[in-house]
Amino acid sequence: AQSVAQPEDQVNVAEGNPLTVKCTYSVSGNPYLFWYVQYPNRGLQFLLKYITGDNLVKGSYGFEAEFNKSQTSFHLKKPSALVSDSALYFCAVRDPSAGRRALTFGSGTRLQVQP
Amino acid sequence: DGGITQSPKYLFRKEGQNVTLSCEQNLNHDAMYWYRQDPGQGLRLIYYSQIVNDFQKGDIAEGYSVSREKKESFPLTVTSAQKNPTAFYLCASSREQFANTGELFFGEGSRLTVL
Repeated sequence: AQSVAQPEDQVNVAEGNPLTVKCTYSVSGNPYLFWYVQYPNRGLQFLLKYITGDNLVKGSYGFEAEFNKSQTSFHLKKPSALVSDSALYFCAVRDPSAGRRALTFGSGTRLQVQP
Repeated sequence: DGGITQSPKYLFRKEGQNVTLSCEQNLNHDAMYWYRQDPGQGLRLIYYSQIVNDFQKGDIAEGYSVSREKKESFPLTVTSAQKNPTAFYLCASSREQFANTGELFFGEGSRLTVL
């Protein structure tokens, strides 16, 4: 079975400070990992993904994420937060060695960036 | 523009009534998905379809039904058997069966409220 956990319901950070949104996963094989962002009453927008290769993945809007196999983590980071980054962030995982061909999402982390 | 269109955006239903949510995509994607979003629970997979005339149950399929008669359309029916249907419903699509590890593209969602 594939699963993903986002241990923080909410993260607060001041504008200009670095931000981290945490994600850990559980799969039996090598994971495909994704981050999405959701603004109020909207669908999800893709930010970045890790499939293979370099552990540091760069994505949209200055976000990046680091794949850490030993810690089974895929934390989302940004060097300098903007107020406009305030939104709901979802981590998702898929185990390509498993039969299920759909993503499993975490419960989401609300990011609040204070001016 | 290419994308995914969900309708209606808001829907109210009386208890005991079936309701159908529409999802249409013009991205020429093979795979389509329905997720349900509840506060604090993230996204949960209802049904998905990798190809026309074929679909699989997700984690919470009870009380829901789908059809995939056309590549571009994947309607979801919320039946009276669904015990707690009030939620935000998200439709998504991706390229061929995740073979190229593609990400999901989401519609803007449909908010169903049972009165």
